Amino acid sequence: GEDVEQSLFLSVREGDSSVINCTYTDSSSTYLYWYKQEPGAGLQLLTYIFSNMDMKQDQRLTVLLNKKDKHLSLRIADTQTGDSAIYFCAEGTEEYGNKLVFGAGTILRVKS
Amino acid sequence: NAGVTQTPKFQVLKTGQSMTLQCAQDMNHEYMSWYRQDPGMGLRLIHYSVGAGITDQGEVPNGYNVSRSTTEDFPLRLLSAAPSQTSVYFCASRGAFEAFFGQGTRLTVV
Repeated sequence: GEDVEQSLFLSVREGDSSVINCTYTDSSSTYLYWYKQEPGAGLQLLTYIFSNMDMKQDQRLTVLLNKKDKHLSLRIADTQTGDSAIYFCAEGTEEYGNKLVFGAGTILRVKS
Repeated sequence: NAGVTQTPKFQVLKTGQSMTLQCAQDMNHEYMSWYRQDPGMGLRLIHYSVGAGITDQGEVPNGYNVSRSTTEDFPLRLLSAAPSQTSVYFCASRGAFEAFFGQGTRLTVV
């Protein structure tokens, strides 16, 4: 079956870049997503990338996709304390009417 | 721009009680779904719907029912609450590419 894996924790200093990595298994995934969850809040869609793209940039966010290795990364430039949150990688699959399969989330801690 | 609205935000139930979690979206999306979030496990799909009148089971459907009488609403019913259903529940609505989530319902079953 499909599976999405992420590292559990990342700590960076304010102003540095953060890179959160994710690997997935379903080679038929059409879209891959990054969500942000702040404490006690819902999931906020940050960005998504089509599987036929290698890179997508959106302001401070850069998504890189290596389809051959099934590896997805999210780079946050000039990381701020407000970026501290849990970041979830998700892949869109054809199962269950195109459900999303989520990783367990990466906790990003930004130190000032 | 409401997006996906879930109610209530918090709920405490006694074992054996039933309740309905409400979800509404105003984006005219056909696909809606319910997930539960448990620590260290990401989100797991409970039920989903690909349009009004059509629902189906996800990965962890036991103990839950859904219905979809309108495009906008997708309520989740807990039939007889159990402590194992203590979790945070998220409703999601998906268009062609983007999937949006509600703010979540934190449910505790005692």
